[in-house]
Amino acid sequence: AQSVTQLDSHVSVSEGTPVLLRCNYSSSYSPSLFWYVQHPNKGLQLLLKYTSAATLVKGINGFEAEFKKSETSFHLTKPSAHMSDAAEYFCVVIVFSGGYNKLIFGAGTRLAVHP
Amino acid sequence: DVKVTQSSRYLVKRTGEKVFLECVQDMDHENMFWYRQDPGLGLRLIYFSYDVKMKEKGDIPEGYSVSREKKERFSLILESASTNQTSMYLCASEGATTDTQYFGPGTRLTVL
Repeated sequence: AQSVTQLDSHVSVSEGTPVLLRCNYSSSYSPSLFWYVQHPNKGLQLLLKYTSAATLVKGINGFEAEFKKSETSFHLTKPSAHMSDAAEYFCVVIVFSGGYNKLIFGAGTRLAVHP
Repeated sequence: DVKVTQSSRYLVKRTGEKVFLECVQDMDHENMFWYRQDPGLGLRLIYFSYDVKMKEKGDIPEGYSVSREKKERFSLILESASTNQTSMYLCASEGATTDTQYFGPGTRLTVL
């Protein structure tokens, strides 16, 4: 069965330092993978998605993620954190089931950014 | 921009009450979804709909029902609210030929 595991429930960084949010997936075929972000009291927003094209995917707000099939990983990174990046981040895999796309969400990683 | 709106941001209900959560999207999307979000569990799919008057059960449909009388509107119904249904509820919509879901801001429901 397809699934995603976010390896850290909380990550804390200082402003201006790199961000790494880790995600491993399990899939019996080449998956489509997403990262969504949820700012406090707001809905989820798509950050980026991988759909079997380039393995390094660039998203909004300077985030990017690299698909590594050998490691079954899709980690999210950003070179320099900004205070506005504080939010919860979800790694998502798409499953095609019963004729429809179904999103399987990880448990989420809460990112805190300190001055 | 796609806009998905939900009727209430916060809702407080009593055990046994019937609760309606409304979701409206303005992009003529065929597919609509209801999720609940709980700490440490991510989002879990309750029901989805791929067309007017059509519905499919998601992973946790027990205790919920849905209604889709118009393409732009998808309602989640708690027939008899219970305390374990206290949660954040998120609605999403998606075009039939895309794989990107657009989410509303969520309704935080508390059942006392």
